Amino acid sequence: EVQLVESGGGLVQPGGSLRLSCAASGFTFSNYWMSWVRQAPGKGLQWVANIKPDGSEKFYVDSVKGRFTISRDNARNSLYLQMNSLRADDTAIYYCATDLASRPRNDAFDIWGQGTMVTVSS
Amino acid sequence: EIVMTQSPATLSVSPGERATLSCRASQSVTTNLAWYQQKRGQAPRLLIYGASTRATGIPARFSGSGSGTEFTLTISSLQSEDFATYYCQQYNNWPPWTFGQGTKVEIK
Repeated sequence: EVQLVESGGGLVQPGGSLRLSCAASGFTFSNYWMSWVRQAPGKGLQWVANIKPDGSEKFYVDSVKGRFTISRDNARNSLYLQMNSLRADDTAIYYCATDLASRPRNDAFDIWGQGTMVTVSS
Repeated sequence: EIVMTQSPATLSVSPGERATLSCRASQSVTTNLAWYQQKRGQAPRLLIYGASTRATGIPARFSGSGSGTEFTLTISSLQSEDFATYYCQQYNNWPPWTFGQGTKVEIK
């Protein structure tokens, strides 16, 4: 069964840091783009970052550039999001997502994890 | 950045009726457009990609149409499990991959 399981969310103070993880199973992780998508409470979906299968290319939404870093460990079938200088408006559920149907591209997101909640508050 | 605009924000429909949701792109995305369904407390689920192709396991009552800047998601006969929020997303010009703000389909 194809599965993505996020972890690492929690409560952090403004200016603090957090590292999210996503464990993948049921598919050849090293063949696919991986993404983080977030959803603020009561709001819509926002793509945050993604990373090429071999880790050689990474893209970020402007609002997190210079603060967040996406990475992956293909040997461990794991995706990460290092979040620094966190702000209140980073408060959201963070989903790990991928596109298994469009390899080698990253088009629509056909597999999602259950999400992990990040709350930035003093 | 391509801005995706969905309308209406909320759609009130009776079970068994047809629902028509709209999505407009700020510039052409050709047919590189997906639709998602999200129920409360759950992750989004892919319904449609390529503007009109149903994803695996999606019932035939869901259909997508359009190209360029105007797109439509139609649910031909609403079932109880279809009351949810629906999002469109473009993947033609990236980064960023962008979503609409969502349309909530509620019971009339």
